[in-house]
Amino acid sequence: EAEVAQSPRYKITEKSQAVAFWCDPISGHATLYWYRQILGQGPELLVQFQDESVVDDSQLPKDRFSAERLKGVDSTLKIQPAELGDSAMYLCASSLRDHKDTQYFGPGTRLTVL
Amino acid sequence: QQQVKQSPQSLIVQKGGISIINCAYENTAFDYFPWYQQFPGKGPALLIAIRPDVSEKKEGRFTISFNKSAKQFSLHIMDSQPGDSATYFCAASPISNTGNQFYFGTGTSLTVIP
Repeated sequence: EAEVAQSPRYKITEKSQAVAFWCDPISGHATLYWYRQILGQGPELLVQFQDESVVDDSQLPKDRFSAERLKGVDSTLKIQPAELGDSAMYLCASSLRDHKDTQYFGPGTRLTVL
Repeated sequence: QQQVKQSPQSLIVQKGGISIINCAYENTAFDYFPWYQQFPGKGPALLIAIRPDVSEKKEGRFTISFNKSAKQFSLHIMDSQPGDSATYFCAASPISNTGNQFYFGTGTSLTVIP
């Protein structure tokens, strides 16, 4: 069964450092989502791509976060500089262009900022 | 502002019992209501979903009950098993052409005691 791949699975960094997360969606999925899940809470959408275009980044803290999906396939989420409050699980999800109601999530990247 | 309110925060049920998790929303534009199951260290996985044109949907031991007038929906797990022990998230979304903004509840940690 096809899955959303994410790496790394765990990342520990010091505040003010830069971190990057990678996501490879299920093949053929045009829509890609990055979510942040703080411990004990539900996921919150950071950014949504349709192919290589950003559809919604209204919740992305653009002063320090950036996301790209240059070829409309895999995607990178970057944080620079990282802050203590960024410690969370970063989840990537993908869906088919015509079936956006079904999102498939990857295993996530657990970020700890010291 | 929490778009979807979920309760209880945690739930302990005996094996064979019924687990019930409740969610409420305010935005009448929401028209898709999925439930996700998340095991430790894993991303959320779609469990079951409902649209407001029906009041109930059943898939195996899992049932969603939906009350459109009260803007509430709930997940019922019949004959609960230890393997059901996980965190459950309800979500709500307005279906749109560009993509679905999923608003997640805060999660319910379910423990099924053998």
